[in-house]
Amino acid sequence: DIQMTQSPSSLSASVGDRVTITCRASQDIGNYLNWYQQKQGKAPKLLIYGASNLNSGVPSRFSGSGSGPHFTFTISSLQPEDFATYYCQQFYIVPNTFGGGTKVDI
Amino acid sequence: EVLLLESGGGLVKPGGSLRLSCAASGFIFSDYNMHWVRQSPGKGLEWVSAVNRDGSSTYYTDSLKGRFTVSRDNSKNALYLQMNSLRVDDTAVYFCARRVPTVGLDFWGQGTMVTVSS
Repeated sequence: DIQMTQSPSSLSASVGDRVTITCRASQDIGNYLNWYQQKQGKAPKLLIYGASNLNSGVPSRFSGSGSGPHFTFTISSLQPEDFATYYCQQFYIVPNTFGGGTKVDI
Repeated sequence: EVLLLESGGGLVKPGGSLRLSCAASGFIFSDYNMHWVRQSPGKGLEWVSAVNRDGSSTYYTDSLKGRFTVSRDNSKNALYLQMNSLRVDDTAVYFCARRVPTVGLDFWGQGTMVTVSS
């Protein structure tokens, strides 16, 4: 199985901060990498697909980059509604493993 | 509007069985692969299983093979997860999700809670 290593596991930030999360796959997965946001008690929401494509309706302050084994997710200016947990997921091969998550709080 | 509604969760004893359902609406169900993802209390997301559009191919995370079975009924717009020989560590919220090719899991249900406890 492909292992997805996400870091950091948590971070504290303030409104307006730039936030960066990284995800590393245990093998080359091309650009088959997605990013999801999950708020407490809710289902995950797809933010970025194909490593760098913004899903419909997602604000442009969210972005993704990278390919192969190394990926980065960025929130350019953190907003109050962005405090949540973020996950990466690979779609290169089943099982479509998730990273461990990054909790972003104040 | 795309909607996915899971049901069938509840409290079950170790070794017991449950069948989860996911009712789909607002899209052509038979056009999409469907996935199950779970989340244990306070933990991260874990990919569980997937089924292709016509139900002819199924996929599982290795640790669940032989205990869980995914299926679908396109005539009822329904996805299922039959869970047998349940263990305490199967306790989780189970989500169903729609898979769009080259995009990923774009719509998710609200989840159904499964608690395995004696």
